[in-house]
Amino acid sequence: GIQVEQSPPDLILQEGANSTLRCNFSDSVNNLQWFHQNPWGQLINLFYIPSGTKQNGRLSATTVATERYSLLYISSSQTTDSGVYFCAGGLEAGKSTFGDGTTLTVKP
Amino acid sequence: GAVVSQHPSWVICKSGTSVKIECRSLDFQATTMFWYRQFPKQSLMLMATSNEGSKATYEQGVEKDKFLINHASLTLSTLTVTSAHPEDSSFYICSAMVRAQWPSGANVLTFGAGSRLTVL
Repeated sequence: GIQVEQSPPDLILQEGANSTLRCNFSDSVNNLQWFHQNPWGQLINLFYIPSGTKQNGRLSATTVATERYSLLYISSSQTTDSGVYFCAGGLEAGKSTFGDGTTLTVKP
Repeated sequence: GAVVSQHPSWVICKSGTSVKIECRSLDFQATTMFWYRQFPKQSLMLMATSNEGSKATYEQGVEKDKFLINHASLTLSTLTVTSAHPEDSSFYICSAMVRAQWPSGANVLTFGAGSRLTVL
């Protein structure tokens, strides 16, 4: 099956800093999403981005499908951005493989 | 927007008992739902795909007799952990595909809030 590698595994930032999270896939995927898991466990969909670039406020994501990677950018980080960020992808809608996540801690 | 509701949020049970977790799609119909399991500080592992009106499809290594899945209606899927043991303690999360709004119109995974099971 598809392998998903996320980096870095842990990231500590000062409030206001910018960061880039990366996700590499072992094979091509048709579906790719970025999620934020808050401290209570709820997964929030950030982006559906099998290719191209999208932006939503302070967050943006870019997927280079031909090179099988995706990047999530967080600008001007806030303490509420803390949590675990997952990317997930696959060939079939719904049957996505998740990466191990990046744990982000934003300090005030 | 479309919401996936999961209940209960947390449950504590004695070893040997069975526990049922419900996953509902609010304001939309879900012919397919997905059940995941997540151990502390680990990733999500897909356990099974729940299909309305037919048998669930289990991932390799998941015991179908231990984790019973029923998808009897277009808005409800249930996961029953039978004869639960402490090693079944985990965070169980359901999801459904929801059609995103314009412009993508793509089907995106939308998750319930999860159910934390502790087996004593």
